[in-house]
Amino acid sequence: DAGVIQSPRHEVTEMGQEVTLRCKPISGHDYLFWYRQTMMRGLELLIYFNNNVPIDDSGMPEDRFSAKMPNASFSTLKIQPSEPRDSAVYFCASSLGPPLYEQYFGPGTRLTVT
Amino acid sequence: AQSVSQHNHHVILSEAASLELGCNYSYGGTVNLFWYVQYPGQHLQLLLKYFSGDPLVKGIKGFEAEFIKSKFSFNLRKPSVQWSDTAEYFCAAGAYNTDKLIFGTGTRLQVFP
Repeated sequence: DAGVIQSPRHEVTEMGQEVTLRCKPISGHDYLFWYRQTMMRGLELLIYFNNNVPIDDSGMPEDRFSAKMPNASFSTLKIQPSEPRDSAVYFCASSLGPPLYEQYFGPGTRLTVT
Repeated sequence: AQSVSQHNHHVILSEAASLELGCNYSYGGTVNLFWYVQYPGQHLQLLLKYFSGDPLVKGIKGFEAEFIKSKFSFNLRKPSVQWSDTAEYFCAAGAYNTDKLIFGTGTRLQVFP
């Protein structure tokens, strides 16, 4: 298996623009997680899905952030409009779920908003 | 609320020194515990995990961790570090039968030759 795939790997955009990050989980994994990593706040869970359904989005910073999972093999995290403080590395991870819920992380998308 | 604490934020060692990184979790029930490593510029990778059984868990690259239930701890150890161990290390815990993991804030390890 290719592992969790994320695209793009790097994204530079101007403030106010829409940003869409993409994730393909490992085939057969029922859970998909979106994390944000910054120097100040470390690794934060933004939202996660089980069987394509959002379960907990309490970590989503504000309404500018939205996430979808239209099918078992694809998820997006969208920021509209983007702001400089959104600059971070965004990771996607997938897992089989409890009780063996080891999470497999993707390579991340480094987002820079200028 | 469930939480994970990593008290060492930044550790600097010379090669061949011994390593111990602290991790404490706050949850009274059954938990599953993990250590992840993030090498510079890379994604998080699983180092080792504990679900049940022998509280001393051995992982990849010579790392091990010991689960001490009475202390709510899951410290990571390595007898002799190498320059290639320079990375950030994250402890994570998941309450049994819950969906998500709680990650600690991470410990940055720098190993100098």
